[in-house]
Amino acid sequence: KQEVTQIPAALSVPEGENLVLNCSFTDSAIYNLQWFRQDPGKGLTSLLLIQSSQREQTSGRLNASLDKSSGRSTLYIAASQPGDSATYLCAVRPNYGQNFVFGPGTRLSVLP
Amino acid sequence: SAVISQKPSRDICQRGTSLTIQCQVDSQVTMMFWYRQQPGQSLTLIATANQGSEATYESGFVIDKFPISRPNLTFSTLTVSNMSPEDSSIYLCSVLPQATDTQYFGPGTRLTVL
Repeated sequence: KQEVTQIPAALSVPEGENLVLNCSFTDSAIYNLQWFRQDPGKGLTSLLLIQSSQREQTSGRLNASLDKSSGRSTLYIAASQPGDSATYLCAVRPNYGQNFVFGPGTRLSVLP
Repeated sequence: SAVISQKPSRDICQRGTSLTIQCQVDSQVTMMFWYRQQPGQSLTLIATANQGSEATYESGFVIDKFPISRPNLTFSTLTVSNMSPEDSSIYLCSVLPQATDTQYFGPGTRLTVL
């Protein structure tokens, strides 16, 4: 059974820092992995989708990498801003058509 | 992409009553999902509601408690029946459009049961 963990559970950094959020999954046979952002009390916003055949995806200040063999993905945020403060969720899709397995999230606070 | 709206955005309900949450998508999608997010927790899948078939419920969720309708490819409802304070959560509608592997989520419905 696929399990997803995220480290750290919470992170507080000063504005301008580059930071890395980690996601680990127990079964390396995945279809894809998606990173989401969730603001308090709100829905999820899709950030990046990485297919199993890909190593990384980039969007603006965000870069997500995937290492299937080690069961890891990282989300890199460059030059963090207070507006980046949110919970970041990692979700793994084991196979096509199967439902996501979500990690518990990392709560990020970027201090001005 | 897909733009999803949910109604209501939030509600406060009395124990023992029922609430129906609506989910509207701006495009036709086959695969639609309902999730629950309890306070401080990650997301838990309640059921998959594909148009043209009965909803498929995950372990721990039953149709009598969470009946779902999926009358067409752009709309679905989730009812939370005979509510108790333990049902206080954010309920999220989500879709997986065909020809894309990106899953999209609605803004959520924040339910508080007193």
